[in-house]
Amino acid sequence: GESVGLHLPTLSVQEGDNSIINCAYSNSASDYFIWYKQESGKGPQFIIDIRSNMDKRQGQRVTVLLNKTVKHLSLQIAATQPGDSAVYFCAEILTGGGNKLTFGTGTQLKVEL
Amino acid sequence: EPEVTQTPSHQVTQMGQEVILRCVPISNHLYFYWYRQILGQKVEFLVSFYNNEISEKSEIFDDQFSVERPDGSNFTLKIRSTKLEDSAMYFCASSENQGSQPQHFGDGTRLSIL
Repeated sequence: GESVGLHLPTLSVQEGDNSIINCAYSNSASDYFIWYKQESGKGPQFIIDIRSNMDKRQGQRVTVLLNKTVKHLSLQIAATQPGDSAVYFCAEILTGGGNKLTFGTGTQLKVEL
Repeated sequence: EPEVTQTPSHQVTQMGQEVILRCVPISNHLYFYWYRQILGQKVEFLVSFYNNEISEKSEIFDDQFSVERPDGSNFTLKIRSTKLEDSAMYFCASSENQGSQPQHFGDGTRLSIL
């Protein structure tokens, strides 16, 4: 049956440290991946994306790494700040799967002062 | 920065009643979506919409659900006869194009069915 609610994995980091949030995906046919940040009471906010023909992509303070061999995606946040505290989701789109985003479970990031 | 806006932020409705959730996607975007998130659970895809028709829908999107683009700016989700299990956050999203394009989300409507 359905679970009543998900227990989110939590990552606690000190302010100024680097954070690494991981995501495993199951479908090798996925060809596009997005990381979203969701703050309490708000919608998912786009952070960074990566296509399957890339291994790494960098943005401002964030880097996404894609390992297609083990179907693993990670989000690295440099110099983590209190404003980075949120739930982070990875999401994927299948090749030929239209536009449907399939979201992962999410990771709660807590930044301690 | 352009954003997706949704109204109302919170809707409380009696079971069995119809409800319409409204969204204004980003103006130059062509693809529109509805997702929902039941409290404590993953964000789930409901439907995608392009060129005035549904392009894809999930199993959740049954005959009780419908979407419409009534004019050049609004995109609506209607639930005809609400059930208790429809209680969730409903997110609208839009993207410029399909496939490998980021979808931008609104802040959602919290739907509470009594």
